[in-house]
Amino acid sequence: DTGVSQDPRHKITKRGQNVTFRCDPISEHNRLYWYRQTLGQGPEFLTYFQNEAQLEKSRLLSDRFSAERPKGSFSTLEIQRTEQGDSAMYLCASTTGTGNYGYTFGSGTRLTVV
Amino acid sequence: GQQLNQSPQSMFIQEGEDVSMNCTSSSIFNTWLWYKQDPGEGPVLLIALYKAGELTSNGRLTAQFGITRKDSFLNISASIPSDVGIYFCAGGVIQGAQKLVFGQGTRLTINP
Repeated sequence: DTGVSQDPRHKITKRGQNVTFRCDPISEHNRLYWYRQTLGQGPEFLTYFQNEAQLEKSRLLSDRFSAERPKGSFSTLEIQRTEQGDSAMYLCASTTGTGNYGYTFGSGTRLTVV
Repeated sequence: GQQLNQSPQSMFIQEGEDVSMNCTSSSIFNTWLWYKQDPGEGPVLLIALYKAGELTSNGRLTAQFGITRKDSFLNISASIPSDVGIYFCAGGVIQGAQKLVFGQGTRLTINP
């Protein structure tokens, strides 16, 4: 068990560019979550997957954001036409099924849009 | 939307002192969790509480799930330098996504 892995750890991009982040959850965890954390705040829910199905999306996830988990294993989060307001830490977490709220978080990807 | 009020926002204490922080909500949660986050890292789970009134310990940490299901506290006894960091409470709802709602965090600084 190597924990939840996120790549890259840091990303600096120019406004208007597209970026993609990857998350590899703990292998036996079928639930995968994406959260966003801005400076001085707690994480906020973006979306979650049960296996390969994306079952809920937050209002924070604008049309420029898309997430996939094609084979129920790793997940990607893409942001198109980045804006300065997208600058944040993007956290991935995974857990087993119903009733287990003890998410394991990854170390996050810190995005800076300049 | 649901919000958690976590207090205090920051604490400056001497090594060896006990620490207490709490979280309140206007909404009921089915679970309360406490996480610690170090700079540049993701939150790490400290304690999970699943039952109203439950009191749980993890080493020097003790947390309680309020009987109204709208609050929780975390105590740290005999603080040590590695306790430095940001502590977050989180409330969870059973239905649907089982997503967590996080507080704003308590930043703990320890003077040796």
